[in-house]
Amino acid sequence: GQQLNQSPQSMFIQEGEDVSMNCTSSSIFNTWLWYKQDPGEGPVLLIALYKAGELTSNGRLTAQFGITRKDSFLNISASIPSDVGIYFCAGRGIGGGSNYKLTFGKGTLLTVNP
Amino acid sequence: GAGVSQSPRYKVAKRGQDVALRCDPISGHVSLFWYQQALGQGPEFLTYFQNEAQLDKSGLPSDRFFAERPEGSVSTLKIQRTQQEDSAVYLCASSLGGNYDGYTFGSGTRLTVV
Repeated sequence: GQQLNQSPQSMFIQEGEDVSMNCTSSSIFNTWLWYKQDPGEGPVLLIALYKAGELTSNGRLTAQFGITRKDSFLNISASIPSDVGIYFCAGRGIGGGSNYKLTFGKGTLLTVNP
Repeated sequence: GAGVSQSPRYKVAKRGQDVALRCDPISGHVSLFWYQQALGQGPEFLTYFQNEAQLDKSGLPSDRFFAERPEGSVSTLKIQRTQQEDSAVYLCASSLGGNYDGYTFGSGTRLTVV
């Protein structure tokens, strides 16, 4: 099935550093979502974006919905050890099954060295 | 409980065996989704229920996969004659209604077919 292009695949950073990851698609989406998945758990929603150009923050996390509606990025500032996990972008379209069906990226594995 | 509960957490099946995976959504949640997550990949949509009605089963990989939600609460994903490529984590998610951003994922069932 279709998956979004998410990069980088993995990152190793020192505690306190900032992190940036992004996601691109060949299709337009009306909603971009960012999730975090810890080992053995399901994904947990971090940020939802609804409008092209929208910039949204949630604590140390900031995400933007690209103007073309085909991309999004997530920034994490001042990383801490508990930020470790896999981050997924997901897009949602409109019409047909697209308003409830999420298309996910392959994930970015983040490791934070204390 | 307060979250989406899935059982079993782990299942090892011999190739050719039938398996049944159970999902208990959050009480009162109308919408229920099944996703398949292969190792190193993001989740991929399998099927969607609104109450007891299966509105979309376009993501089911083959006719060996069958899902049901007969009373509009608990759902079961059944895989007949399992094959090695069926090995994955099967995630269930539920949402209150039309707020599809409010997906809450369960912890998943890790299926290994040997």
